[in-house]
Amino acid sequence: GDSVTQTEGPVTVSESESLIINCTYSATSIAYPNLFWYVRYPGEGLQLLLKVITAGQKGSSRGFEATYNKETTSFHLQKASVQESDSAVYYCALANYGNEKITFGAGTKLTIKP
Amino acid sequence: GPKVLQIPSHQIIDMGQMVTLNCDPVSNHLYFYWYKQILGQQMEFLVNFYNGKVMEKSKLFKDQFSVERPDGSYFTLKIQPTALEDSAVYFCASSDWVLYAEQFFGPGTRLTVL
Repeated sequence: GDSVTQTEGPVTVSESESLIINCTYSATSIAYPNLFWYVRYPGEGLQLLLKVITAGQKGSSRGFEATYNKETTSFHLQKASVQESDSAVYYCALANYGNEKITFGAGTKLTIKP
Repeated sequence: GPKVLQIPSHQIIDMGQMVTLNCDPVSNHLYFYWYKQILGQQMEFLVNFYNGKVMEKSKLFKDQFSVERPDGSYFTLKIQPTALEDSAVYFCASSDWVLYAEQFFGPGTRLTVL
């Protein structure tokens, strides 16, 4: 079946430093799945951070970026300068063409030190 | 943004009893989903539901599980009878149409089966 593997947490980064959370995927049900990063802030529900549906494209939101790399089957999340408000749990995920079913990674808890 | 509500937030129940988890999806959404996350594990797809029917379910969606959305009210997940391994957080999601549609997630219901 499909699977997603991401950086094991927890991860702690100092404010204004750069961040990368690794994500690799394996999709057996579809050649080029849709790829997502979701985020859960403390006390809130899961929300979509960014998505990319075309291989080779980059998605960005709130200063975060991720590029869909079909050669390495990766979708790493990066940010050049993190802020304290970025403290949250981040989930890499994939879905089939119609987005009817999402496969999630285990989540990476990120803490930003002031 | 659009919000999905889940009621209750916590439920404790004795093994063998029936439980109903309620989801109030985003207004006018047509597709509904349930996901299950056991403590320390990944969030996993259970089922999706459209036009009064289950469209796809995973192997986690046991015979004791059922879903419905009578007359446009709550989208419910019923477990009858419950088992110890049903203890988890259950997340509901909804989307307004299928292709590339974003799923909006609720905050989850934590179910504890004793």
